[in-house]
Amino acid sequence: DTAVSQTPKYLVTQMGNDKSIKCEQNLGHDTMYWYKQDSKKFLKIMFSYNNKELIINETVPNRFSPKSPDKAHLNLHINSLELGDSAVYFCASSQGEDSYNSPLHFGNGTRLTVT
Amino acid sequence: DQQVKQNSPSLSVQEGRISILNCDYTNSMFDYFLWYKKYPAEGPTFLISISSIKDKNEDGRFTVFLNKSAKHLSLHIVPSQPGDSAVYFCAASEETSGSRLTFGEGTQLTVNP
Repeated sequence: DTAVSQTPKYLVTQMGNDKSIKCEQNLGHDTMYWYKQDSKKFLKIMFSYNNKELIINETVPNRFSPKSPDKAHLNLHINSLELGDSAVYFCASSQGEDSYNSPLHFGNGTRLTVT
Repeated sequence: DQQVKQNSPSLSVQEGRISILNCDYTNSMFDYFLWYKKYPAEGPTFLISISSIKDKNEDGRFTVFLNKSAKHLSLHIVPSQPGDSAVYFCAASEETSGSRLTFGEGTQLTVNP
């Protein structure tokens, strides 16, 4: 059983389009995240939700909007896609909000390519 | 302004020898440090962590050392095995920031049989 699953695995789209990436976790965790791995390979946090409530919102363009219908799901919607949005997006979850005692469990990533 | 840096993009070692992966940080407010391991086409998986009140934490073949005065930590793997070949990410967080992790850019470890 996949603990954190995200779809699609690959996403190729043109500039200006709107796309969504879905994420689901079956670990019963309370907190979910979106991380972006850019071309320099750094993993940077974008958003974090705890029990469907937004708790971290980094300086991400408004074109990115997370949506958490329930605590097992955190989807990422991206409007008006730009070339610079090309990256690998990782969903993750943890039991609590303490990164030391509640390590993150990551999905396998979605590689987004904007042409 | 990258607060966590892994200056070696790659490291190659022979099976059975020790692998030492290094990580430097600039933020003295970091309280916790973690290492994650990543195989191709998979997400990172948690490996080992250390609190800033300690200078060493050991788990089987993996040991993390923390030198707060130098703002440096290292991950030792001994003996190294071919299955350890992966990208290793160092990460850090402040106690007050809860779940916000700052990652380094990763080091590709290759263990040769």
